[in-house]
Amino acid sequence: DVKVTQSSRYLVKRTGEKVFLECVQDMDHENMFWYRQDPGLGLRLIYFSYDVKMKEKGDIPEGYSVSREKKERFSLILESASTNQTSMYLCASSPAGADTDTQYFGPGTRLTVL
Amino acid sequence: DAKTTQPTSMDCAEGRAANLPCNHSTISGNEYVYWYRQIHSQGPQYIIHGLKNNETNEMASLIITEDRKSSTLILPHATLRDTAVYYCIVRVGVVYGQNFVFGPGTRLSVLP
Repeated sequence: DVKVTQSSRYLVKRTGEKVFLECVQDMDHENMFWYRQDPGLGLRLIYFSYDVKMKEKGDIPEGYSVSREKKERFSLILESASTNQTSMYLCASSPAGADTDTQYFGPGTRLTVL
Repeated sequence: DAKTTQPTSMDCAEGRAANLPCNHSTISGNEYVYWYRQIHSQGPQYIIHGLKNNETNEMASLIITEDRKSSTLILPHATLRDTAVYYCIVRVGVVYGQNFVFGPGTRLSVLP
């Protein structure tokens, strides 16, 4: 089974703090993604990566950065957390070279910024 | 990506088959039908996908009509743990960097 794990299920941070969200997948997938999910807005893509050290901006990259130093690990960084970044953050991965982009999601991190 | 229409909610008795419909009348030839589900406060879980043919895996079966304008996800023996929001998504095969668009989905309640 594909396993995508995220470092925390729940996180509470203060405005201005630097926040690291980590994601690890164990299926040797090339592609990894970070989304946020908010009520009424669905899933929105923040960043994605299709190879080690590669990153591409998604729909809403402002206020976020990412790091992919190893194939299995994709980190999302909030440089200076703000209250409007309170959300559910979801990591996903998918294999390259397949006919379809089936993405497998982690359990999510619910981040609250006070 | 083509738009999908699903019922807002459905109930199913435990142990019975749950049949979740999805309309995607504007689907194009290179678009796949995906199904995911999301249990409250958890990440979406991949269930199944298909292009033209019916598909079956250990979780569910996917029946796609011949004209591909609609499909049905079948959970053959629903359990209480199948209570979740089910999303039908239509998407081209490989769309690196394109968002997975989750609509409102169908809230399935499996009743004891």
